[in-house]
Amino acid sequence: GNSVTQMEGPVTLSEEAFLTINCTYTATGYPSLFWYVQYPGEGLQLLLKATKADDKGSNKGFEATYRKETTSFHLEKGSVQVSDSAVYFCALSGGSNYKLTFGKGTLLTVNP
Amino acid sequence: GAVVSQHPSWVICKSGTSVKIECRSLDFQATTMFWYRQFPKQSLMLMATSNEGSKATYEQGVEKDKFLINHASLTLSTLTVTSAHPEDSSFYICSAIDRAKGTEAFFGQGTRLTVV
Repeated sequence: GNSVTQMEGPVTLSEEAFLTINCTYTATGYPSLFWYVQYPGEGLQLLLKATKADDKGSNKGFEATYRKETTSFHLEKGSVQVSDSAVYFCALSGGSNYKLTFGKGTLLTVNP
Repeated sequence: GAVVSQHPSWVICKSGTSVKIECRSLDFQATTMFWYRQFPKQSLMLMATSNEGSKATYEQGVEKDKFLINHASLTLSTLTVTSAHPEDSSFYICSAIDRAKGTEAFFGQGTRLTVV
């Protein structure tokens, strides 16, 4: 079956530091890949997505590239802000049923 | 983006009682809704998929008689935890999509259930 493995947290960074959260997946076929973010006290929001190999998703300074050869979708941001503090979930969706398989989530804390 | 409202955000109930959680799409038609359960420091586990007007499809290992799902309208799905026990304590999250438009999944803010 499908599975997602993402970097264990928590991750603590200083403002303006570089961020990488690793995510690898196992899936049959050609899944779509997603990063979701959950800010404190809120629901999950879609941060970015990529639907085919070599696609790069980007939003709010975050980027992730769909790497089929390494089955990875690592999340990066060049300069984090305190407001980026949240839990980040990597996820995949295979087929037309829209079901999402999630990683365990990574808590990011950015200190001023 | 579209808004999904989940209610209540937290609930405490006694063992043996039933609890209903509502998930509403406020500004779009939710043809399909998903219910997830999240344990502490664990990923979201899909419990069931419900399409409006039909019976929910449960994932393997999820008791359909314990977790009753109703999706009677295009804007509302409910999850009822029947005869709740302490092991049912968890964080429950719904999401909704409009399949006709191929929209992304929009998530509710979650419900923290504590059974005492």
